[in-house]
This record gives sequence, structure tokens and C-alpha cells, in this order.
Amino acid sequence: SQTIHQWPATLVQPVGSPLSLECTVEGTSNPNLYWYRQAAGRGLQLLFYSVGIGQISSEVPQNLSASRPQDRQFILSSKKLLLSDSGFYLCAWSAPDRGNYGYTFGSGTRLTVV
Amino acid sequence: SQKIEQNSEALNIQEGKTATLTCNYTNYSPAYLQWYRQDPGRGPVFLLLIRENEKEKRKERLKVTFDTTLKQSLFHITASQPADSATYLCAAAGYSSASKIIFGSGTRLSIRP
Repeated sequence: SQTIHQWPATLVQPVGSPLSLECTVEGTSNPNLYWYRQAAGRGLQLLFYSVGIGQISSEVPQNLSASRPQDRQFILSSKKLLLSDSGFYLCAWSAPDRGNYGYTFGSGTRLTVV
Repeated sequence: SQKIEQNSEALNIQEGKTATLTCNYTNYSPAYLQWYRQDPGRGPVFLLLIRENEKEKRKERLKVTFDTTLKQSLFHITASQPADSATYLCAAAGYSSASKIIFGSGTRLSIRP
């Protein structure tokens, strides 16, 4: 069966520090991968998505970047965090031909920038 | 712009009653509507999907409707239980498997014993 792993679960980082969040998927090949951010009481904002290794699409101009160095690995990074980067970050995957059928989400990372 | 709107006010229901949540979409003609459950501090979990040519879909105590005229989906939980308390997200997707899913902000549901 397919599983998605996301870590760390919580993170407190000072302003100006770098960030690296990692997401891996098991049990499937060539998944579509997504990074979302959810502010408190708000909806999910799509940040990046990837349909293959090295292929990254950015949805919102921001202080963040994403990379997909391996088929089932998706990394969210920042060189210098801002206070406004605080939020709940979620990784998700879908089968390449079934993206509109729903996503499977990871357990999320609660990031607090102080 | 495309919007998925859900009632931001929390819904409080007595255990055993039917909970009904509303999702409206504007500037959009989705091919699929999806419903997710999200517990505090956790990622959303996919529950149900309904296609635009389907009027109603059921799964155990859950029922979803899709009204393309009203541009609305209703999500029902019958015989509600305190364990059903969570935030429920509505999401919409287009025909293409590459189309990105647009999420609503969710409605928090509380079932009191």
C-alpha cells in the first residue's frame, strides 16, 4: 500500500534561518507531488506541484522553493525565513492519471517562525 | 477567480441528528467535487468524490450531492456521533487529471453528546 511520510512534525525557527521540509512517498511510482500551506482557520494554499523528477511548478511568488531530487521525494526549502512563513505545511500525492480523484496528504509540519 | 466557499461558522449538532454542510462554487464548472475530513493538527483525509453527472453519492453514513444549477454541493452525515467532530473541506477539480484541486476553507463540525 502507498504511504506518505512528512517530517518534522513541528519546527520552531528564527527569522532569517534556512528551512528544509522533506516528504517521501512509498508504494507508488511517478506520483504527482504537492506542497500546500494552511494558515489558521484558512483554506489550503497550493505552493508547488511536481509531475516528475526535476519538474517544479510554482503557484505563488514567495520566499520558498521546492525540489524533487528523486521520484518519490519532495523538498520544501527557504534560504531565509520570514515571520509570514509560519503555518501548517502539508505534502500530498496523487497518481499521475488520477489527480482529480483526490489527494493523499501527509501528517503536516507546524512551522513557527520567531 | 475560481472560488470554493464553505460556511466559516462552526456547526453544532446534537448526537444522532443529521449534519448538513454546504459548499458553493463560483466562476468555475468543476468536473468533480471532493470532501475531506481534517482533524486538528493533522492532514486532510479524503472521504468522497462526486462527478458532475452524478446527483448523489453515498458511503456508509455519508451522503454528498452535486447540483450544477445551484453550483452547490451538500455533505450529509446521518446519525451523527461525537467522533464525527472535525473540520470538513470541500474541494473541486476539473476534467484533466493534471488540473489542480481548489480547496474551500472548511467548516468545523461539533457533535455534542
